[in-house]
Amino acid sequence: AQSVTQPDIHITVSEGASLELRCNYSYGATPYLFWYVQSPGQGLQLLLKYFSGDTLVQGIKGFEAEFKRSQSSFNLRKPSVHWSDAAEYFCAVDPTSNTGKLIFGQGTTLQVKP
Amino acid sequence: DTAVSQTPKYLVTQMGNDKSIKCEQNLGHDTMYWYKQDSKKFLKIMFSYNNKELIINETVPNRFSPKSPDKAHLNLHINSLELGDSAVYFCASSPTGQGTEAFFGQGTRLTVV
Repeated sequence: AQSVTQPDIHITVSEGASLELRCNYSYGATPYLFWYVQSPGQGLQLLLKYFSGDTLVQGIKGFEAEFKRSQSSFNLRKPSVHWSDAAEYFCAVDPTSNTGKLIFGQGTTLQVKP
Repeated sequence: DTAVSQTPKYLVTQMGNDKSIKCEQNLGHDTMYWYKQDSKKFLKIMFSYNNKELIINETVPNRFSPKSPDKAHLNLHINSLELGDSAVYFCASSPTGQGTEAFFGQGTRLTVV
């Protein structure tokens, strides 16, 4: 079945430490890939997206993600986490349906320790 | 300027009532969506409209009826509210086409008591 999996439901990192959030998808073709962030009580904000080309994409707020076709993964990274990064992170795919429909992973809650 | 705005932000109502959530976007996008986020924060698409026409209806109960008076507005009306309808409902919009970025509203937290 087509799906998006974020294996880590909750991650805690210390401020200044590096971060990697995992995302795996199961679709036949390479879908369009997105990472969104949801701060408490807020809507979703796009961090970055991958359509084609360079497999390492840069986003806002110092985030980057790497697409690995062989692993069907699109992991999000940040070299040094700030306390303001504490939020819910969602990986999403547009399975080339031409409808703009997004399939979301379950989300990863990021907690940042001072 | 708010790109995608929803009203109300919070809605508390009793079982059996009928309620509406309004959404407006000023981005000039042709496609609008309703997503539901459940208590476990799982997000799932409910409906999608392109230029006022319904293009996605994801097996949502008939009690939910979206209405798009024009391409800048997509409202969600819910009849006979049930406890299980409690969730956060997000409106979003995007340009038409594959892989386009969706812009989300701030959400409407619906609580049915």
